[in-house]
Amino acid sequence: DAKTTQPPSMDCAEGRAANLPCNHSTISGNEYVYWYRQIHSQGPQYIIHGLKNNETNEMASLIITEDRKSSTLILPHATLRDTAVYYCIVRVATSSAGTASKLTFGTGTRLQVTL
Amino acid sequence: GAGVSQSPSNKVTEKGKDVELRCDPISGHTALYWYRQSLGQGLEFLIYFQGNSAPDKSGLPSDRFSAERTGGSVSTLTIQRTQQEDSAVYLCASRSTGGTYNEQFFGPGTRLTVL
Repeated sequence: DAKTTQPPSMDCAEGRAANLPCNHSTISGNEYVYWYRQIHSQGPQYIIHGLKNNETNEMASLIITEDRKSSTLILPHATLRDTAVYYCIVRVATSSAGTASKLTFGTGTRLQVTL
Repeated sequence: GAGVSQSPSNKVTEKGKDVELRCDPISGHTALYWYRQSLGQGLEFLIYFQGNSAPDKSGLPSDRFSAERTGGSVSTLTIQRTQQEDSAVYLCASRSTGGTYNEQFFGPGTRLTVL
């Protein structure tokens, strides 16, 4: 799996958009970008994923650059409950639940949402 | 229940003792993963079960670690002769096969402290 680079921490005011960057300059053509988050004392939670088109769901938006070497996770209106560690990973998507589907997280970005 | 559950939520043990950690995956999910997360670190894969296939044990750090999955559902992770470096949060995740992406649903984890 391609390596990703994220800033260790970020702050965001409540109600503002939180933009979390991720660099993945060695991403391969068949690798997707996935985002998970981990709220304190909880297990990781899937947020969103994408290949090359921008994606949006009820939780967030994912913007992937045209060269796919970086992406940004956008939480449009951050709340205090969004305070968590956010993990960006890149990997091949597979419909089978083989060992390749195991997840490997780095240390992520610790997002602190403040009043 | 609707999600992955794990028990106990916290376990404190003395060095040299054996511990058993339990995971109840989401009903119908055929894939089950064990990970551990040390303080301030990312996610470390331990073992993976898929249906009736032989488990992938490639992530187990030593032969003191073992896991089983009975009846394709509940899984138990056993650590024998615990050491202080085994202290971590042990996370279980399950996933259904099929689909086009690797969304894993995580349990809340078991925090293991070895004194």
